[in-house]
Amino acid sequence: DVKVTQSSRYLVKRTGEKVFLECVQDMDHENMFWYRQDPGLGLRLIYFSYDVKMKEKGDIPEGYSVSREKKERFSLILESASTNQTSMYLCASSGQGVSNQPQHFGDGTRLSIL
Amino acid sequence: KNQVEQSPQSLIILEGKNCTLQCNYTVSPFSNLRWYKQDTGRGPVSLTIMTFSENTKSNGRYTATLDADTKQSSLHITASQLSDSASYICVVSTIRETDKLIFGTGTRLQVFP
Repeated sequence: DVKVTQSSRYLVKRTGEKVFLECVQDMDHENMFWYRQDPGLGLRLIYFSYDVKMKEKGDIPEGYSVSREKKERFSLILESASTNQTSMYLCASSGQGVSNQPQHFGDGTRLSIL
Repeated sequence: KNQVEQSPQSLIILEGKNCTLQCNYTVSPFSNLRWYKQDTGRGPVSLTIMTFSENTKSNGRYTATLDADTKQSSLHITASQLSDSASYICVVSTIRETDKLIFGTGTRLQVFP
């Protein structure tokens, strides 16, 4: 089974801090994604990556950056955390080249910015 | 604008009963439609993926249908169990950007004994 592991289930940070969320997948997937999930809203794509050192902006990239130095690891960075970035963050991965492959999700990091 | 709308927002049923969740979409051009199950505090898990040519697809007690002409899908759960309590999310992708998924807001299902 595909396993996508997010480093923290719960995280509390202060406004202005630089925050790192880590995600690792064990299936040699080329594609990796970061989403945020808020009540009443569907999952929204922040950034995604098709390959090592590649990144593409999603629908809501403002205030975030990403890093993909190794194929299995995709990091989301909040450059200067703000209270409106309090949310559930979900990482996902999928294989390359087949449009009907499911995205496999981690269990999320619930981030609170105080 | 590409959108996915689900109904109802929430649903309560008794264990053993059947239920049907609805999904309408305005995504174009259509590539595929997915149903995910998300347990509380967990990430979504894929149930089914259907392309334009598929009308129905089953995964155990879950059966998804797709009408690409009316842009509607449904997820039917048969003989519900307590473990079916979860949010069910309908997701659509376009041919142009098959990995940029468009998510519905989900239906919250609660199954009571």
